[in-house]
Amino acid sequence: ETGVTQTPRHLVMGMTNKKSLKCEQHLGHNAMYWYKQSAKKPLELMFVYSLEERVENNSVPSRFSPECPNSSHLFLHLHTLQPEDSALYLCASSQGLHSESSGANVLTFGAGSRLTVL
Amino acid sequence: AQKVTQAQTEISVVEKEDVTLDCVYETRDTTYYLFWYKQPPSGELVFLIRRNSFDEQNEISGRYSWNFQKSTSSFNFTITASQVVDSAVYFCALSGLTGGGNKLTFGTGTQLKVEL
Repeated sequence: ETGVTQTPRHLVMGMTNKKSLKCEQHLGHNAMYWYKQSAKKPLELMFVYSLEERVENNSVPSRFSPECPNSSHLFLHLHTLQPEDSALYLCASSQGLHSESSGANVLTFGAGSRLTVL
Repeated sequence: AQKVTQAQTEISVVEKEDVTLDCVYETRDTTYYLFWYKQPPSGELVFLIRRNSFDEQNEISGRYSWNFQKSTSSFNFTITASQVVDSAVYFCALSGLTGGGNKLTFGTGTQLKVEL
């Protein structure tokens, strides 16, 4: 496989469920990101990992818990979500962070996981 | 604070028409980067172009062209002779040095529909 792969593509869960979203990149990148895409809103950055360490957490509720076991994998653990958390969750990766290079690095995105919270 | 405005929520054109997608940005950084991404129905955002704030040359790539004007803080995107496959949501994004961590600020996107 190539690029950034996200599973599952679609997920429906109740507010009391616990589920996880998975992201895998095959590009040899060392930075990974979670974005939330809601209708009519700009993409919201949730978490950034560089070399498996979290470097940014944008005031995301604790019901979202990221995990980056290695530079190729990123998870988003979900528990006790609310209906307003329904959205498309996009994973992305890049080679290096913006601040580490002379130019802003291009992100490669996955196709997203469409989450519906009932 | 950074901000990207894409005032056009949705544009419909007939195939072979030219179409321009507008992008206006705000930043206090003197060095910054502007991007355009395309999101087809399949969901993944596809990188189209990156431009740094010191390079105001317009760029053409096939049917795509970009007009960067610092004086008006705009980075507009034109598709010439549009095709049905161009139908997608297009996002303009901004990354400034103060953002750090490759924090892209996205606009709300413009849905482009190209019909036969």
